[in-house]
Amino acid sequence: KAGVTQTPRYLIKTRGQQVTLSCSPISGHRSVSWYQQTPGQGLQFLFEYFSETQRNKGNFPGRFSGRQFSNSRSEMNVSTLELGDSALYLCASSFLAGGEQFFGPGTRLTVL
Amino acid sequence: DQQVKQNSPSLSVQEGRISILNCDYTNSMFDYFLWYKKYPAEGPTFLISISSIKDKNEDGRFTVFLNKSAKHLSLHIVPSQPGDSAVYFCAATRLPGGGADGLTFGKGTHLIIQP
Repeated sequence: KAGVTQTPRYLIKTRGQQVTLSCSPISGHRSVSWYQQTPGQGLQFLFEYFSETQRNKGNFPGRFSGRQFSNSRSEMNVSTLELGDSALYLCASSFLAGGEQFFGPGTRLTVL
Repeated sequence: DQQVKQNSPSLSVQEGRISILNCDYTNSMFDYFLWYKKYPAEGPTFLISISSIKDKNEDGRFTVFLNKSAKHLSLHIVPSQPGDSAVYFCAATRLPGGGADGLTFGKGTHLIIQP
């Protein structure tokens, strides 16, 4: 069974731009969660989608948004990028909403 | 306010000995705890979990202990092997199936197994 895939793996943007990251969950998984990992803050929960609906949201500004498609694939968008948005963005999928999560390799975003 | 704390950023252990990784939490609503292992350039991999109705869960070389009164859990790895060298994250949530805040992670402990 293929694991969680994330594209792109690496991305460099400049301040003020916007970015879209993509996540394909494990086949059959309907829940997708997004996390931000930084050296200072560790892994922080962004949001979770289940059956195309945002189920939970972490404490991040509105510049961070996401969506989920009918095939369970999910995208995360960050608008008006700031230097502090440089991080590893991890996507995790689970069979049930809030269930045991399987992580993808992440997208390393660098904002210059 | 950090609700899940791993106070040791790194830990060095000799191969074959026991590795003990510690985790403290402050939110008494957490009732399901997980350990993840992460290698560089890879996403975290689930290792073992424990529900608050238990105080111990074992899976091969990995055992997790939970002390609810102290709001403390620990991961024991016996015997430690070179492939165990990685960053270990402790995570907690409010329900076995997740809570309103997803998983709350600690900042991780970098375990180094010395030959």
